[in-house]
Amino acid sequence: AQTVTQSQPEMSVQEAETVTLSCTYDTSENNYYLFWYKQPPSRQMILVIRQEAYKQQNATENRFSVNFQKAAKSFSLKISDSQLGDTAMYFCAFSEINTDKLIFGTGTRLQVFP
Amino acid sequence: DADVTQTPRNRITKTGKRIMLECSQTKGHDRMYWYRQDPGLGLRLIYYSFDVKDINKGEISDGYSVSRQAQAKFSLSLESAIPNQTALYFCATSDLDFQETQYFGPGTRLLVL
Repeated sequence: AQTVTQSQPEMSVQEAETVTLSCTYDTSENNYYLFWYKQPPSRQMILVIRQEAYKQQNATENRFSVNFQKAAKSFSLKISDSQLGDTAMYFCAFSEINTDKLIFGTGTRLQVFP
Repeated sequence: DADVTQTPRNRITKTGKRIMLECSQTKGHDRMYWYRQDPGLGLRLIYYSFDVKDINKGEISDGYSVSRQAQAKFSLSLESAIPNQTALYFCATSDLDFQETQYFGPGTRLLVL
């Protein structure tokens, strides 16, 4: 069965600095999708970034980028120029192709300090 | 206006009561989902629906039922609520052509006393 592991329950970073959140996953599939979702104190689950496993190029969305290492089954999220509004829980998630089942990690709580 | 809405946003109920959580979407997506979030466990899938005639059980469907009244509406019911169903519940939608990306509603916080 697929599993997603986020080994950092909590992280902190100073405003304007860079922080990297870790995620590893386990699957026997070759094609799949990976996601990072953000959950601020408002509770809303917000899609941050999406990566297709068949694409070698790492996805980037403004200040957010990923380091996708398929052989190592690693999918880390880098937040550059951290802002106070980045304070949130961050969830890594996995989905096989043509299924409707998102598998979530347990989350990393990120605190951005002024 | 929000694309995915959930009502109520917060609810307190008593053990044994029947309760319904509602989800509506204006995204025009065919697929809808209900998840439960517990502290330290991430989100877990309860039920999902491909269209109004298709309902599927997820990882933790026991104690829950759903109804897909229309393409835009998907309701979750707790027939007889129990305290360990206290959790944050999320509805999500996805597009048939982009189905692996799910978009979430704001969540309903449920407390069962």
